Amino acid sequence: QVQLQESGPGLVKPSQTLSLTCTVSGGSISGGSYYWNWIRQTPGKGLEWIGRFYIRGSTDYNPSLNGRVTISLDTSNNQFSLKLISVTAADTAVYYCARTVQGLREFDYWGPGILVTVSS
Amino acid sequence: DIQLTQSPSSLSASVGDRVTITCQASQDISRYLNWFQQKPGKAPKLLIHATSNLETGVPSRFSGSGSGTVFIFTISSLQPEDVATYYCQRYDSLPLTFGGGTKVHIK
Repeated sequence: QVQLQESGPGLVKPSQTLSLTCTVSGGSISGGSYYWNWIRQTPGKGLEWIGRFYIRGSTDYNPSLNGRVTISLDTSNNQFSLKLISVTAADTAVYYCARTVQGLREFDYWGPGILVTVSS
Repeated sequence: DIQLTQSPSSLSASVGDRVTITCQASQDISRYLNWFQQKPGKAPKLLIHATSNLETGVPSRFSGSGSGTVFIFTISSLQPEDVATYYCQRYDSLPLTFGGGTKVHIK
């Protein structure tokens, strides 16, 4: 059974960088045709797809984040990460990592989510 | 971006009632639509993929239909454990987007 778990600081100061890691267990992060996604949820904007890393090496990002996002993979630790620069209070959200199986299923496995608050 | 509009935003129904949620896309998305269930404090759970394909283990009282711009999610007989917020999500093109959600209560 695949499991995902987000980790990282729960509090980030405005203008700084939000960094989160998703650890995947129960399967290899590079074992199939997977996309590894980050999604966030706020009461105001609902669920927002942030971006994804495809195991073959490409990335896709939501243009709404204005180029502030980087998603990368660490296959040796079976993890992938999110970096969001120049954060503001509007980036306060519950952040989820999730898996997509290319051509089959979007977001079939999710982490439990982590609340990140942007505040001084 | 292609927008998804869900209606209603909330509903209240009795146990055993048939519940219907509509998801309307701002452009034709063929059948590239999923449905998720989210309970309070939990991550969304994929219930239906590609408009009408039930995920393994999901009760058969849940179903989906539609194509193009109008999609329907149905709970044929509402159960207490179905209290949740339901979201549609499209994947025909990037960026991937979700509907605004429909909160289902028991009357």
